[in-house]
Amino acid sequence: DTAVSQTPKYLVTQMGNDKSIKCEQNLGHDTMYWYKQDSKKFLKIMFSYNNKELIINETVPNRFSPKSPDKAHLNLHINSLELGDSAVYFCASSQTRQTMLQFFGPGTRLTVL
Amino acid sequence: AQKVTQAQTEISVVEKEDVTLDCVYETRDTTYYLFWYKQPPSGELVFLIRRNSFDEQNEISGRYSWNFQKSTSSFNFTITASQVVDSAVYFCALSEANQAGTALIFGKGTTLSVSS
Repeated sequence: DTAVSQTPKYLVTQMGNDKSIKCEQNLGHDTMYWYKQDSKKFLKIMFSYNNKELIINETVPNRFSPKSPDKAHLNLHINSLELGDSAVYFCASSQTRQTMLQFFGPGTRLTVL
Repeated sequence: AQKVTQAQTEISVVEKEDVTLDCVYETRDTTYYLFWYKQPPSGELVFLIRRNSFDEQNEISGRYSWNFQKSTSSFNFTITASQVVDSAVYFCALSEANQAGTALIFGKGTTLSVSS
């Protein structure tokens, strides 16, 4: 069974469109994260939610809006997509907000044309 | 400020060679964790090891070993008798607890290429 899953795995879209990436974890964890991996492979935290509450919000354009309908799900909605948004987006989860071990999803490769 | 430096951008070795991947970190916290993750060409992030700041014992797992030295703020990773399947990008990461929560701070990664 997949612990942290993301859909879709690949997403190709035009500039200016709005798109969403979904993440689900079946580990019973309280805390979920979004990381962005750019074209140079650099991984950086974007957001973190703990029990549906936003607890980490790094300097990310307002076009990015995370939503957590329940603690098992954390979705990422991106408005007005730009070329620079092309990246791999990883979802992760950890047991609690203090737990240091994070489990990563398989990633979603977003390509903006 | 927290920072992780992986000075080696790319390393190429021939199978059966030993290779060490360097990781140097900066933190003001006394309590922190260090990690290594592997990202093979398929793209997923594979957890390799977690080490807390109070445990400086070196660790060995099969062909993998880790050397943690607080005095030099380093957490180096050695692969013994490398194999082609070890070809991947390896990331070192640092995790600190703060009031809000915990995020992993990654180094820029080292791309390891093992040829046969």
